[in-house]
Amino acid sequence: DVKVTQSSRYLVKRTGEKVFLECVQDMDHENMFWYRQDPGLGLRLIYFSYDVKMKEKGDIPEGYSVSREKKERFSLILESASTNQTSMYLCASSLGTILYQETQYFGPGTRLLVL
Amino acid sequence: TQLLEQSPQFLSIQEGENLTVYCNSSSVFSSLQWYRQEPGEGPVLLVTVVTGGEVKKLKRLTFQFGDARKDSSLHITAAQPGDTGLYLCAGWMDSSYKLIFGSGTRLLVRP
Repeated sequence: DVKVTQSSRYLVKRTGEKVFLECVQDMDHENMFWYRQDPGLGLRLIYFSYDVKMKEKGDIPEGYSVSREKKERFSLILESASTNQTSMYLCASSLGTILYQETQYFGPGTRLLVL
Repeated sequence: TQLLEQSPQFLSIQEGENLTVYCNSSSVFSSLQWYRQEPGEGPVLLVTVVTGGEVKKLKRLTFQFGDARKDSSLHITAAQPGDTGLYLCAGWMDSSYKLIFGSGTRLLVRP
C-alpha cells in the first residue's frame, strides 16, 4: 500500500514565524503536491514537483515555498506565517506516468492554526 | 468562481435512501475522478472515468461521465452510515498538469 505521511497532524504557530511542513511518500513516486483545503473552496494547489529539485507553482503559491531535495520528501515552507494561512494542508503523491488518469495518494493532513 | 461546481453542498439522509451528487462544469475534461474524504483523513480515490458516457459501478455506487465530458454524477443506492464523508469530484483538463477539485458534497447518513 502507498503510504504518504505528514510530519504533524496539528500545529499552532504565531504570526511571523517560519513554518515547515514535511511530507514523505514510500512508493518511489515521481510527482508530489501540496494543497490547502478550506471549507467551501475544495482543494487548491499550492505547489507541485515532478522530480527532485523541480517545482511548479500552483494556483495559490504566494506566501509559500517548497523544497524537494530527495525523491521521497517534499517540504512546504511558510516563510512568515499569517493568520490567513490557517488551514488544512494536504500532501499528495502520484506515480508520474499518465498524469491525467493517475491516482493521487493523500496524506492525513496537517491542520495549521496561525495566531 | 469554481471551475467544477458540486451540488448539493450538504446532504443529510436516512439509512437506506438513495442519493445523487452532481459535478458540473462549462469546460471539457480529459477525465474525472471522485474521491471520498473521512474526518481527519486525506481524500481517497473511488473511481476515474475517462470516456464520455462512461458508467462505472463500485458496489452500491454508480459513477457516470457526461457525453460531452463536462459533467459527472455519483449515485448511491441504499446509503449506509459508512458512506458518511466528504465527496470530491476532480478533473484533469487537456494539456494541464493540475487536478482541479470541486468544492465537495458533505454527506451524512443517519442510522
